[in-house]
Amino acid sequence: DVKVTQSSRYLVKRTGEKVFLECVQDMDHENMFWYRQDPGLGLRLIYFSYDVKMKEKGDIPEGYSVSREKKERFSLILESASTNQTSMYLCATTGGGRVDETQYFGPGTRLLVL
Amino acid sequence: AQSVTQLDSQVPVFEEAPVELRCNYSSSVSVYLFWYVQYPNQGLQLLLKYLSGSTLVKGINGFEAEFNKSQTSFHLRKPSVHISDTAEYFCAVSGPGGGNKLTFGTGTQLKVEL
Repeated sequence: DVKVTQSSRYLVKRTGEKVFLECVQDMDHENMFWYRQDPGLGLRLIYFSYDVKMKEKGDIPEGYSVSREKKERFSLILESASTNQTSMYLCATTGGGRVDETQYFGPGTRLLVL
Repeated sequence: AQSVTQLDSQVPVFEEAPVELRCNYSSSVSVYLFWYVQYPNQGLQLLLKYLSGSTLVKGINGFEAEFNKSQTSFHLRKPSVHISDTAEYFCAVSGPGGGNKLTFGTGTQLKVEL
């Protein structure tokens, strides 16, 4: 079974803080994704990565950056957290780049920015 | 560009009753369609997916979905729901040119009552 873990289930930060969300997968998957989930908006793609040190912007990259130094780890960075970044953040992975592949999700990190 | 519409944000249903969760998509090219489920306080997991072939797709936990190209729909059904089916359900689409990126609908909250 694919296992995708996220460093924290719940996180509380203050406005202006730098925030790191970590995602680790144990199945040697090539592709990793970061989404945010908000009520009534579904899941929206923030960034994704097809390989180590490679990243591409998703639909809502503003205010975020990412890092992928190792294949198994994909980090989402909020350079200066703002209250409108309060949300649920979900990491996902797929083995390759085919359009029919299943995405495997972590349990999510619920972030509150005060 | 692809888009997904889930017409119902919430669907209440009594246990052992049938249920249908609606999903319509918009795309000018062939697409692949997915249903994911999110149980409370968990990440998403795949219920089923349509890639090609038979338009009736069977998934886990007794769910099935029917792909209808003329109506651009991919509705999810279950003939008899259980209290444990209470969850949020997301329809998603991927297609050529997008790699394995998914576009998600806004989700339908299924609440099964005794």
